[in-house]
Amino acid sequence: KAGVTQTPRYLIKTRGQQVTLSCSPISGHRSVSWYQQTPGQGLQFLFEYFSETQRNKGNFPGRFSGRQFSNSRSEMNVSTLELGDSALYLCASSIPTGAYEQYFGPGTRLTVT
Amino acid sequence: DQQVKQNSPSLSVQEGRISILNCDYTNSMFDYFLWYKKYPAEGPTFLISISSIKDKNEDGRFTVFLNKSAKHLSLHIVPSQPGDSAVYFCAAHNSGGSNYKLTFGKGTLLTVNP
Repeated sequence: KAGVTQTPRYLIKTRGQQVTLSCSPISGHRSVSWYQQTPGQGLQFLFEYFSETQRNKGNFPGRFSGRQFSNSRSEMNVSTLELGDSALYLCASSIPTGAYEQYFGPGTRLTVT
Repeated sequence: DQQVKQNSPSLSVQEGRISILNCDYTNSMFDYFLWYKKYPAEGPTFLISISSIKDKNEDGRFTVFLNKSAKHLSLHIVPSQPGDSAVYFCAAHNSGGSNYKLTFGKGTLLTVNP
């Protein structure tokens, strides 16, 4: 079974631009979560989607948004990029019943200059 | 407010010896705990988990211990191998309410020396 895929893997943007990242979950997984990883900060939760509905949101400004499509694929968007948005953005999928293991994609490395 | 803490940023161990990675949590509502391993340029990989109704879970060389009264869990790797060198993240989940997220610690970099 194919794992979680994320595109693009690397991205360089300038301040003020916007960016859209894409995530395709494992087949059959309907929950998709997004995390931001910065050096020394671990993984910070951004938001979680299930059946095209955002069920939970982390403590990030409104510039960070996301959506999920009917095939469970998800996108996240960051508008008006700031230097501090440079990070590894990770997507994870899961079957949201019982045990709560999440399976991660390789991430998108975003660099804002 | 950091609810999951990994107080050791790094740990160095000799090949063949035991590696013990520690994790503390403050939220008593957490009832499911997980460990992930992360290599550079890859996403975290699920290793092992434990429910709060247990105090130990074992999978091959990996064992997780949970001490609920101390709000502490640990991951034991025996014997340690050079391929275990990676960043290890502890994560916690509250299955009650509408909380659909994992809360992660900041990670511990494990280096296993040949």
